[in-house]
Amino acid sequence: NAGVTQTPKFQVLKTGQSMTLQCAQDMNHEYMSWYRQDPGMGLRLIHYSVGAGITDQGEVPNGYNVSRSTTEDFPLRLLSAAPSQTSVYFCASSRRGGLQETQYFGPGTRLLVL
Amino acid sequence: DAKTTQPTSMDCAEGRAANLPCNHSTISGNEYVYWYRQIHSQGPQYIIHGLKNNETNEMASLIITEDRKSSTLILPHATLRDTAVYYCIVRAGFFNQAGTALIFGKGTTLSVSS
Repeated sequence: NAGVTQTPKFQVLKTGQSMTLQCAQDMNHEYMSWYRQDPGMGLRLIHYSVGAGITDQGEVPNGYNVSRSTTEDFPLRLLSAAPSQTSVYFCASSRRGGLQETQYFGPGTRLLVL
Repeated sequence: DAKTTQPTSMDCAEGRAANLPCNHSTISGNEYVYWYRQIHSQGPQYIIHGLKNNETNEMASLIITEDRKSSTLILPHATLRDTAVYYCIVRAGFFNQAGTALIFGKGTTLSVSS
């Protein structure tokens, strides 16, 4: 298993541009989520999904959209990038929504918005 | 979810035990204690979790006080590769609207030196 994969690893955008951060897992996990991490801070939840076709907002959802058309993929879309979205983005997955389930994280995407 | 308090940083000599404390004085009866770590430029990695009993796995031991208001993560023989930020997280043991989203604080930066 490849686990949780994220692409791209690095990205530079200009203000106002749009892009999609890709996340995929091959573990047949129901639960997937997106976090952002800013310098000196912990991870903050952006959006999450408890299964295909179901998504919901986390702590900092503004400026981001998600969809979950398949179990494997959970892309994060920036519709109009802003400098405040400069961050490292992590995708995570777990088998189900239960608390005994370990979350597995991807390697991250480093985004710079100029 | 209960709030956690961890020291900002700790040092440990290679080969010695690293004991990382965490206070969670407002923890509820159904909340688990989780530990994750994040090595520089990588995604967070699950270490261990527990409810009230002490737990041990191949990576670490988790000691939870009888009143469950604090816990200690023990890395028995720290190596240079254990240098990372360690996050203590408490999370309810039931499925809620946020699923298994983990609320990360700022964690403890553990520096292991030779």
